[in-house]
Amino acid sequence: DQQVKQNSPSLSVQEGRISILNCDYTNSMFDYFLWYKKYPAEGPTFLISISSIKDKNEDGRFTVFLNKSAKHLSLHIVPSQPGDSAVYFCAASASGNTPLVFGKGTRLSVIA
Amino acid sequence: EAQVTQNPRYLITVTGKKLTVTCSQNMNHEYMSWYRQDPGLGLRQIYYSMNVEVTDKGDVPEGYKVSRKEKRNFPLILESPSPNQTSLYFCASSLGELGGGPYEQFFGPGTRLTVL
Repeated sequence: DQQVKQNSPSLSVQEGRISILNCDYTNSMFDYFLWYKKYPAEGPTFLISISSIKDKNEDGRFTVFLNKSAKHLSLHIVPSQPGDSAVYFCAASASGNTPLVFGKGTRLSVIA
Repeated sequence: EAQVTQNPRYLITVTGKKLTVTCSQNMNHEYMSWYRQDPGLGLRQIYYSMNVEVTDKGDVPEGYKVSRKEKRNFPLILESPSPNQTSLYFCASSLGELGGGPYEQFFGPGTRLTVL
C-alpha cells in the first residue's frame, strides 16, 4: 500500500503562472515532509521541507503547505520558470530516524 | 566539493554475473542509502545504513546485499543479477541522527544498470 501518493503524473504550466504540486499521505506517524527535484540524468536534489509543527514553509519562489488533518501537502512555485521543468518527488518520514518514503513523482513542464 | 559519487554510471551485464556498484561520500555523513527508480514506481529504498557496520532492509531488498565497513563507502552488491533488476540506482547520504535523521539526503548521479 502506497503511503505517499502523488496522484498527478504530470503537470503543464505556463511560464510566470503558479505551479501547484500535490501529495497525500496515509501514515499518521509521518512528521517531516520534503520535496525533491530531479532533472534527467541527475540525482534528486533537496528543494524544501516542512515539519508537522508548521503548516507553511517558504523559500524564495517555493512554498510548501501542510494540512495535517487532510494528510495533504502541496508545493507552490510562483512564478514558474522554464528551468523548473523537472520531476518533483514528495517524501515523508516519521521521527526516530525512520527511512524516507517517496511518492512516484510528478513531471512538471513549464512552457515559455 | 561535497558530493556523493557512484561508479559505474552505466553498466550492461548478463544474468548471474556478480557485480558491485560503489558509492562514496565526502561529507562525513552517518546515514547512507540505496534506491532504485523505475518508471511509474518512483524511488524505492533497497537498503540503508544508520552508521558503520549497521545496515537494514528497505522496501525492496531481495536480490541485493550491502556492506558498510567505513563511513564514507556503501557498496551495493548484486550476487546474481536478473533482468528484473534492470533499473536506475541512486545512492544517497545524510547527517543521520546528528542532523535530525535521514531527512535532507544528498543523492549521487545515478547508475543505469541493464541486465540481459
